[in-house]
Order: sequence, then C-alpha cells, then structure tokens
Amino acid sequence: DGGITQSPKYLFRKEGQNVTLSCEQNLNHDAMYWYRQDPGQGLRLIYYSQIVNDFQKGDIAEGYSVSREKKESFPLTVTSAQKNPTAFYLCASSPPLGAGELFFGEGSRLTVL
Amino acid sequence: GIQVEQSPPDLILQEGANSTLRCNFSDSVNNLQWFHQNPWGQLINLFYIPSGTKQNGRLSATTVATERYSLLYISSSQTTDSGVYFCAVEGRSSSASKIIFGSGTRLSIRP
Repeated sequence: DGGITQSPKYLFRKEGQNVTLSCEQNLNHDAMYWYRQDPGQGLRLIYYSQIVNDFQKGDIAEGYSVSREKKESFPLTVTSAQKNPTAFYLCASSPPLGAGELFFGEGSRLTVL
Repeated sequence: GIQVEQSPPDLILQEGANSTLRCNFSDSVNNLQWFHQNPWGQLINLFYIPSGTKQNGRLSATTVATERYSLLYISSSQTTDSGVYFCAVEGRSSSASKIIFGSGTRLSIRP
C-alpha cells in the first residue's frame, strides 16, 4: 500500500548525540515536510522540500539538518545544537504545493536523556 | 507569514451533541485541510477543502475563502471523536508557499 513510513517510532538518546530520523514515501509526491510537536501544542514546521536536491528552512530550523537526495526520502538529523530536542516528530508529503493533500507518517517520538 | 487561528481551544461535550470548530486565516490560501489527531498521535485527513462545502458521514466542512475562515461540523458526537482537530493552510503568496497549522481544538466527548 502507498504511504509514508517513519522510523524509528521511539528513540532514546543521550544529550549531545546527533540523531537521524528516517522518512520514506512511495506516493510519488514531490514535496516533503518535517514538523515538530511538543506536548499539548500544535505542529511547527522545521524544514520542507519541494523537489529533489532542494529544501527550505521552516519556522524552527535551528539545530536541525535535512537532505533530499532521492524523491522518496527526506531524513531529518537532530543535532547536538538543538537545545530542547525531546519531542514528537512528524513527516509528511504532498503533491507539488497548491496541487493536493498533505499526508502524514505515524511519527517518531524522540526522548533525550 | 500567514497566521492561522483555531477556536475554541478546548471543547467538552456529552455524547450525542453537535459541535462547530472554526479556523481563521490571515491571507489568501491555495488550499485548506482539516485533520484529526488520535490519541496515538496519528494525523488523519478529514477534508481537503480550499472552498465550498463537503460532507463525510457525521462530519462536514465549509470554507469561505473570501472571508478567510473554515468551519468543521461534527454531529451526533461519539467518544471516538475525541482528540485534537487541526486546520492547515497553504498560503498563496510566494513568501507563504508552505503549509502552516493552527494550534488546534482539543475535543473531549464524555459518555
């Protein structure tokens, strides 16, 4: 079935370590996104990519990095520079902006000890 | 950038009641979606509705793009309707070409 797969679902890391969250989609979507959600809060945009080898910062990009080497994949690295990395991370994809719906993966819950 | 406001922030209802959730946005949009976030965190697509009215069972939505708001109606609420409802918009101007979420409405349906 077509969809978006995020891994891992749960991740524990020590403070100061970089962490990479995986996001893969087989919907043939051009655009992909990473959002962060803190408890009881809404979704905030970290990075988004409209096309392979191109991406833009969202509202809270500091301390994060991404790559878009393949259409299907948009991994997110939470670096040691991110001051408060414990959160729920959601990946999404859509057809080109203005052309269709946004669909989400099941999320990755990161806890930094 | 574009601002998205949802109201009310919290809503507690008895099973069987009807509810209306509102989403206001500050600029012209290419599209608007409504999502339901379940207790496990999964975001479920409810409606893709840049304008007009759509219905799906007990749920319906209306977007009035010229007045910059959208409404989500839930009729005959069930406990499984509990969760957080988000609207998300894609701004039309080049400086707002990304999808922004409102802060959500937390709905609790009591049996």
